[in-house]
Amino acid sequence: DAKTTQPNSMESNEEEPVHLPCNHSTISGTDYIHWYRQLPSQGPEYVIHGLTSNVNNRMASLAIAEDRKSSTLILHRATLRDAAVYYCILRTDYGGATNKLIFGTGTLLAVQP
Amino acid sequence: DSGVTQTPKHLITATGQRVTLRCSPRSGDLSVYWYQQSLDQGLQFLIQYYNGEERAKGNILERFSAQQFPDLHSELNLSSLELGDSALYFCASSHTSGREFAKNIQYFGAGTRLSVL
Repeated sequence: DAKTTQPNSMESNEEEPVHLPCNHSTISGTDYIHWYRQLPSQGPEYVIHGLTSNVNNRMASLAIAEDRKSSTLILHRATLRDAAVYYCILRTDYGGATNKLIFGTGTLLAVQP
Repeated sequence: DSGVTQTPKHLITATGQRVTLRCSPRSGDLSVYWYQQSLDQGLQFLIQYYNGEERAKGNILERFSAQQFPDLHSELNLSSLELGDSALYFCASSHTSGREFAKNIQYFGAGTRLSVL
């Protein structure tokens, strides 16, 4: 699986938008971009995924660069409950792919009241 | 609530002992995955079962084993425990193990915290 790079930590204020970046310069055409998050003392939780087009769901939006070498997870209005570690993960169906998730170190998001 | 249930929540045991961690997947999910989260190694994939059969293996020690039963619940057995085995162990489930890896979503339980003293 291709590698992703995320900042170790970010801070945000409550009620403000948050943009969490992820670089994946070696992404292949078949790689989907997934985001999971892990709230304190909980298991990881699926957030969103996409391939080429921007995606929206009830939790967040995913903006994918035109060259697909980077993406941004957008939380439109951060709440204290969004404080978590956010993981950007690439997944593919081909080339010896398996169903396991490969977690990096993620971005620790702190939300200030 | 992800629908994945793990028991026990906490486990404290001594070195050399054997423990069993249990996971009940979401209703209808055929795949179960086990992950280990430690401070120095982060979240790492251990093993996957699909409908009772082992499907993929990660960095799982020989002292560890798992199985998935006909009712689809899974157990992770850890034996000859060492201090370094202290970690959070997560179980996840998904509906399919087919070839659709790239779009497959995994749902995680709350984990079992193992402390080996």
